[in-house]
Amino acid sequence: EVQLVESGGGLVQPGGSLRLSCAGTGFIFTSYSINWVRQAPGKGLEWVSYISRSSNTIYYADSVKGRFTISRDNAKNSVYLQINSLRDGDTAVYFCATEDPTGDYGMDVWGQGTTVTVSS
Amino acid sequence: DIQLTQSPSFLSASVGDRVTITCRASQGISSYLAWYQQEPGRAPKLLIYAASTLQSGVPSRFSGSGSGTDFTLTISSLQPDDIATYFCQQLKSFPYTFGQGTKLEIK
Repeated sequence: EVQLVESGGGLVQPGGSLRLSCAGTGFIFTSYSINWVRQAPGKGLEWVSYISRSSNTIYYADSVKGRFTISRDNAKNSVYLQINSLRDGDTAVYFCATEDPTGDYGMDVWGQGTTVTVSS
Repeated sequence: DIQLTQSPSFLSASVGDRVTITCRASQGISSYLAWYQQEPGRAPKLLIYAASTLQSGVPSRFSGSGSGTDFTLTISSLQPDDIATYFCQQLKSFPYTFGQGTKLEIK
């Protein structure tokens, strides 16, 4: 079965850090770019970050630039999102999703999401 | 950044109705547009990519059209399973952006 599984979410105080993981199974992981997308409670979808197949292209949303770092380990079929200096506004469900490198095919496989709650 | 404006934000329709959701981009994005369906508590599901191509396994009552700045998602005959929030997304350039969503309800 083709799937992505996120982990690493939790309750963290403002200013704290977390490392989110996204593990892929059932497909050739190195064939896909990976995106992180988040959704605050009751809100819409917000794209957060992108990493290409070989990690040579990386993008971030302005709202997380300088605080979040995306990386991948293709030997472990995994992508990571290191999130630092957390703020209340970072409270959200964080999804990872595959994307064909051409960008022509949308984000076709999504994980179930991992919840990050920033609160003192 | 490319802004996407979806309308309506909320839609109530009856089973069997034809439903149309629109998405307008702030600048031309060719056909780099996708549509997603999200049920409460679930991850988004890809319905349409490249503006009009139906993702494998998605019922044929869903269709997409448009290019440039104006796009539509149509459900030809609304079914109870279609209750969800629908989002458009542009993949023309980074930062990727989503529309604000259309919440669909059955009357």
